Amino acid sequence: GAVVSQHPSWVICKSGTSVKIECRSLDFQATTMFWYRQFPKQSLMLMATSNEGSKATYEQGVEKDKFLINHASLTLSTLTVTSAHPEDSSFYICSARETGEDTQYFGPGTRLTVL
Amino acid sequence: SQQGEEDPQALSIQEGENATMNCSYKTSINNLQWYRQNSGRGLVHLILIRSNEREKHSGRLRVTLDTSKKSSSLLITASRAADTASYFCATPRGDNYQLIWGAGTKLIIKP
Repeated sequence: GAVVSQHPSWVICKSGTSVKIECRSLDFQATTMFWYRQFPKQSLMLMATSNEGSKATYEQGVEKDKFLINHASLTLSTLTVTSAHPEDSSFYICSARETGEDTQYFGPGTRLTVL
Repeated sequence: SQQGEEDPQALSIQEGENATMNCSYKTSINNLQWYRQNSGRGLVHLILIRSNEREKHSGRLRVTLDTSKKSSSLLITASRAADTASYFCATPRGDNYQLIWGAGTKLIIKP
């Protein structure tokens, strides 16, 4: 079945550094990928929608210069948290949707801790 | 943004009992999806029900959809300890099928 991987699973970094998170669809081509953020004991918050070969669409309140998204191929999207600060610490989850399909397949998530 | 609410927020039952979770939404939908999330993990797609369907089954899962009440329910029969997780409903919006999420129900199955 459809598998989505994320790398890394967890990362700890110093304040001010940038962190890149990769999201890959392993056995299907994902025209659209989504990036979510989840705080403890809360639901998912959609950050942005990423379409292969075009600029990402960010949800209201999400800083596009802070969270850089690149969807360079049909199997890979990256999220870069630039100049990370402790308030950026969170669980980041990506999902991928195959063209024509209604179901999204989720990666296992990346836990980011900014010291 | 969240589409609606789920209730209960948390549910604790004995293994073997049935668990029912409800989801309400606000706008018209094309389909409604249920997902499970184990603690600190990604989400697993459980079942999708389309707006023209009223009930759908998958193994021990039974989902109903009432478009007139804008609500859906997820029933897990003969619960197991491994069913302990958070359950979310989600509805798609827009051409890109962004999912709008409910607040989730935390289900605990006591052995």
